[in-house]
Amino acid sequence: AQKITQTQPGMFVQEKEAVTLDCTYDTSDPSYGLFWYKQPSSGEMIFLIYQGSYDQQNATEGRYSLNFQKARKSANLVISASQLGDSAMYFCAMREGPDYKLSFGAGTTVTVRA
Amino acid sequence: SAVISQKPSRDICQRGTSLTIQCQVDSQVTMMFWYRQQPGQSLTLIATANQGSEATYESGFVIDKFPISRPNLTFSTLTVSNMSPEDSSIYLCSVVSRGRWTDTQYFGPGTRLTVL
Repeated sequence: AQKITQTQPGMFVQEKEAVTLDCTYDTSDPSYGLFWYKQPSSGEMIFLIYQGSYDQQNATEGRYSLNFQKARKSANLVISASQLGDSAMYFCAMREGPDYKLSFGAGTTVTVRA
Repeated sequence: SAVISQKPSRDICQRGTSLTIQCQVDSQVTMMFWYRQQPGQSLTLIATANQGSEATYESGFVIDKFPISRPNLTFSTLTVSNMSPEDSSIYLCSVVSRGRWTDTQYFGPGTRLTVL
């Protein structure tokens, strides 16, 4: 079974608007972490934000915030005030228990329009 | 976070040849991984590079095809052997280091490989 599901293959967003990228996960481990990465066309993977399973508050980092709904097993990334430089592929990933390995979703391509 | 470099950044190779990719980190790290990203796909873990011992490979990846060295805590190599066009991918190394919230995987810039 897929551990991380990203159902939106591609999204368009107008500059300065907000966009929400969906991520659902599947695990039976009570201790896990969720990560979001950005991959521009250059290919590098840039870490954006993290949410731990025991964290009470949603994570935020600048224009990035994570809408964590534990009961629904979802960890959606919200990018506010989109910029042209936000155009990239975005990956949701999960780490379970003490293992440092990550399981990645299929990714969502975001295109920001001027 | 750790600063990671990879060499080469890209290469075009002929089928049947081998390419060795280097990953250098600016600090000592315990955990280091190698990933493959085929065109239009997500990342797939190839192996965990263990310092001073043999790498631990994921299902579907074997040492004969992807030999890995990890001579110390700042350096690793991945060789893609006897290449075919199906090996055309981005290869990324990553390390685990302390981030703002937790131990986080940080990635190198990637090596874009095309096999003709």
